[in-house]
Amino acid sequence: QVQLQESGPGLVKPSQTLSLTCTVSGGSISTGGYYWSWMRQHPGKGLEWIGYIYDSGSTYYSPSLESRVSISVDTSKNQFSLNMNSVTAADTAVYYCALRSGTYYDGFDYWGQGTLVTVSS
Amino acid sequence: SYDLTQPPSVSVSPGQTANITCSGDKLGDKYSCWYQRKPGQSPVLVIYVDTKRPSGIPERFSGSNSGNTATLTISGTQAIDEADYYCQAWDSSTVVFGGGTRLTVL
Repeated sequence: QVQLQESGPGLVKPSQTLSLTCTVSGGSISTGGYYWSWMRQHPGKGLEWIGYIYDSGSTYYSPSLESRVSISVDTSKNQFSLNMNSVTAADTAVYYCALRSGTYYDGFDYWGQGTLVTVSS
Repeated sequence: SYDLTQPPSVSVSPGQTANITCSGDKLGDKYSCWYQRKPGQSPVLVIYVDTKRPSGIPERFSGSNSGNTATLTISGTQAIDEADYYCQAWDSSTVVFGGGTRLTVL
């Protein structure tokens, strides 16, 4: 059973870079066909997809965020990470890491518990 | 960009059937998923490939998808089903979520 756990600063200053890590347990980050993804949910709003990484290096990002976002994998630590630069208050949200394992075709079947990131000076 | 539209809220009486819709251009040509999110919890996949239930999801949850609309149906709705529900689809290589529907059981 795969488990995901987000970690990172809960407070980031405007214009700085938001960095979050998702630690994977119960499975290998190197497993082929797995899509490791980041989502977020603004307060009182719906889910928003940020991007994903698969096959240990190929990435795809939301067109609305791709100029500010990068996702990478650290196979030695069994983790994947999100970096988002030039953040503003509009980036305040609960950030989730999630996995599409393929067990349920293209649904995201594993989610972290989420971590609240507040952008404020 | 591809958009999915859901009603902001749906209300249902206990024991009745709740239908939550998700609309998108030719959505029936894609596979839809549905997620349940309760306050303070992470989303849970309740329907995938339009109609299938993951292991552990009660039989009262079902789905359909045709034309421009996918529908999540909860039969015999229980108080524990009160939550936000999100549809999701893939548009080429991008992931798209609907805006979410708050299901109230009253």
